[in-house]
Amino acid sequence: RKEVEQDPGPFNVPEGATVAFNCTYSNSASQSFFWYRQDCRKEPKLLMSVYSSGNEDGRFTAQLNRASQYISLLIRDSKLSDSATYLCVVNPGYSTLTFGKGTMLLVSP
Amino acid sequence: GAVVSQHPSWVICKSGTSVKIECRSLDFQATTMFWYRQFPKQSLMLMATSNEGSKATYEQGVEKDKFLINHASLTLSTLTVTSAHPEDSSFYICSARDETEKETQYFGPGTRLLVL
Repeated sequence: RKEVEQDPGPFNVPEGATVAFNCTYSNSASQSFFWYRQDCRKEPKLLMSVYSSGNEDGRFTAQLNRASQYISLLIRDSKLSDSATYLCVVNPGYSTLTFGKGTMLLVSP
Repeated sequence: GAVVSQHPSWVICKSGTSVKIECRSLDFQATTMFWYRQFPKQSLMLMATSNEGSKATYEQGVEKDKFLINHASLTLSTLTVTSAHPEDSSFYICSARDETEKETQYFGPGTRLLVL
């Protein structure tokens, strides 16, 4: 089983749609979780951390289910500028980050 | 947020040459920096953890004699790809950890290496 697994997509959605991405991780001892965004040929940028209680930042909502080792990201009211690859990232507990391959989102007019 | 720079942003070189990539934290001190590599449509793979003033820690399968890392100051780490070959062509990205925000890594803009 891969350490961090994501559906590669692409997810094609129209502007204004709600879209959800899921991610599973294999290391049950993982301590912290993040969603990063990576635009084509650019470096990853932190989108948001994921907390056990779930957290929201504007149109973005992240949730963590430790029992199922599952993380989700919900994007509401999609914008064209949301088109990117979304990386699920896990800190397995020794200060390094493990990246998923990413889920590609394409938002069309 | 904190800023990390990388230089050069892209490089094309002949097979057998060595290429040095610099990673700098511009507005914070970074005891620890990380070097990643990303092949097309693949995830970022950690190559090594660079520790200021000590030897880097390499991930399994990464040759330390081929990918030389030097972290001589709190704001600069360098990665040298020695005797580069076409299979080393990739996107190399560094990140730096701000010691005041231990879990946050700030990424440099990356360096695209093409070895002919």
